[in-house]
Amino acid sequence: DQQVKQNSPSLSVQEGRISILNCDYTNSMFDYFLWYKKYPAEGPTFLISISSIKDKNEDGRFTVFLNKSAKHLSLHIVPSQPGDSAVYFCAASVLNTGGFKTIFGAGTRLFVKA
Amino acid sequence: DTAVSQTPKYLVTQMGNDKSIKCEQNLGHDTMYWYKQDSKKFLKIMFSYNNKELIINETVPNRFSPKSPDKAHLNLHINSLELGDSAVYFCASSQDVNNEQFFGPGTRLTVL
Repeated sequence: DQQVKQNSPSLSVQEGRISILNCDYTNSMFDYFLWYKKYPAEGPTFLISISSIKDKNEDGRFTVFLNKSAKHLSLHIVPSQPGDSAVYFCAASVLNTGGFKTIFGAGTRLFVKA
Repeated sequence: DTAVSQTPKYLVTQMGNDKSIKCEQNLGHDTMYWYKQDSKKFLKIMFSYNNKELIINETVPNRFSPKSPDKAHLNLHINSLELGDSAVYFCASSQDVNNEQFFGPGTRLTVL
């Protein structure tokens, strides 16, 4: 039962253009949504997050949009750079007794072509 | 300075053996996690500890036993290793209320 889905395994974008990574979820109890970036042979690194009470959060070239009615979020990267080429994981957290439980999507591999 | 470190980075072993993976964080975080990334690349939570106490224990075989000697360490011991245990195991820690997690570099376990 995949509660967090990233339906595109890969995405290819030209340098300077916008990258849009999508994520769908099923559990309406999620409190926070996060995006992580992962390079080969490294652990994921946190990129940006959004609370379930907001619909947009921006940090430099990265913007996350949340559409709660559609249970959908997206990460926009603009302009895309070759160094952005990595696997991007969407994650959603729900607060349980004792702490957060985080569910990760399967990841989308982004290729930014120079 | 490495924030979250794991040892070893690679581990190759035979079926039936017992092995441990160590994790340390120097961020002063209260919560630590173990994740398994399987062949399909899904990152799945296995365990979560808060202040040395187990708070999340997913459906993981009891051959896997986490141990937290102190807040900065969360080790993973695996008994009677099976072929299906082959995966990359990530340790992570967090402090912030939005649950931003800091991950270690991963341990690639191969069971032959």
